[in-house]
Amino acid sequence: EIVLTQSPGTLSLSPGERATLSCRASQSVRSSHLAWYQQKPGQAPRLLIFGASIRATGIPDRFSGSGSGTDFTLTISSLEPEDFAVYYCQQYSSFPRTFGQGTKVEIK
Amino acid sequence: QVQLQESGPGLVKPSETLSLTCSVSGDSLSSGSYYWTWIRQSPGKGLEWIGYIYYSGSTSYNPSLKGRVTISVDTSKNQFSLNLSSVTAADTAIYYCAREPTDGVYVAGSYYYSGLDVWGQGTTVTVSS
Repeated sequence: EIVLTQSPGTLSLSPGERATLSCRASQSVRSSHLAWYQQKPGQAPRLLIFGASIRATGIPDRFSGSGSGTDFTLTISSLEPEDFAVYYCQQYSSFPRTFGQGTKVEIK
Repeated sequence: QVQLQESGPGLVKPSETLSLTCSVSGDSLSSGSYYWTWIRQSPGKGLEWIGYIYYSGSTSYNPSLKGRVTISVDTSKNQFSLNLSSVTAADTAIYYCAREPTDGVYVAGSYYYSGLDVWGQGTTVTVSS
C-alpha cells in the first residue's frame, strides 16, 4: 500500500499569507493520480485538486497543486478566512486508496 | 445535482455487524460511471478508505479490514450498502459514502482521472455495549 506523509502537521498563518503544504508518497503515484481535499469542522471533505494539479469545479484559483512521482504540493496563494481548515492528500493510483494524515491550517 | 445520504444505526454493540446504507439522488447507480465508495474517519486513524462497489457488483476492499467488510448494491432502490462484521471500539468513526468517477476528463489536451468528487454528509457510528 502507498503511504502518504503530509507536512507540516499544523501551519499557523495569517490571512493574506501564502500556505505551502507537502504530501510525500512511499512509492511513485502513477500518472499523478493524486487529489487534495479540504475539510472544515462538522463537514465532509471537499475535492479541491485532482490529477495533482487540476482544480475541481468551483475551486478558486488561489488554490494550486503541483508535483509528480512521490512529491506533491498544495499551495494557497493568499489565505482567505474561509481557507482555515484541514487539508488531506489522497492517492488513487493503486488499491487500497490511501490518505495522508492531514495538515491543519490555523489562524496565527 | 447529485446527493449522497448515509443512514443506519448510530450505536452498535461489540461483536455485532454494522450496517449502513447510502442513498443516491440525482444520478443513477446503473450509469456505470462511478465507483461507489465507503470511507471512514476516526480520531485515531484519520481518513480510511473502506472499499467500493461498481454497479455490476464488482468490489474492492481494504485488506486492513481483514475480510469483515461487504459492500452491496441495490440498483432498483439506487442505494449501496456497507456491512462490517465483528465490530470493536476501533470501528467507532464517522462513515462517509462517496463516488469516484471511472472515467477521466480532458483538460488542456491531457486526460485526468478525478478523485472522490461527491461525498455524503457522513454518519457517526459508535461501537459500545
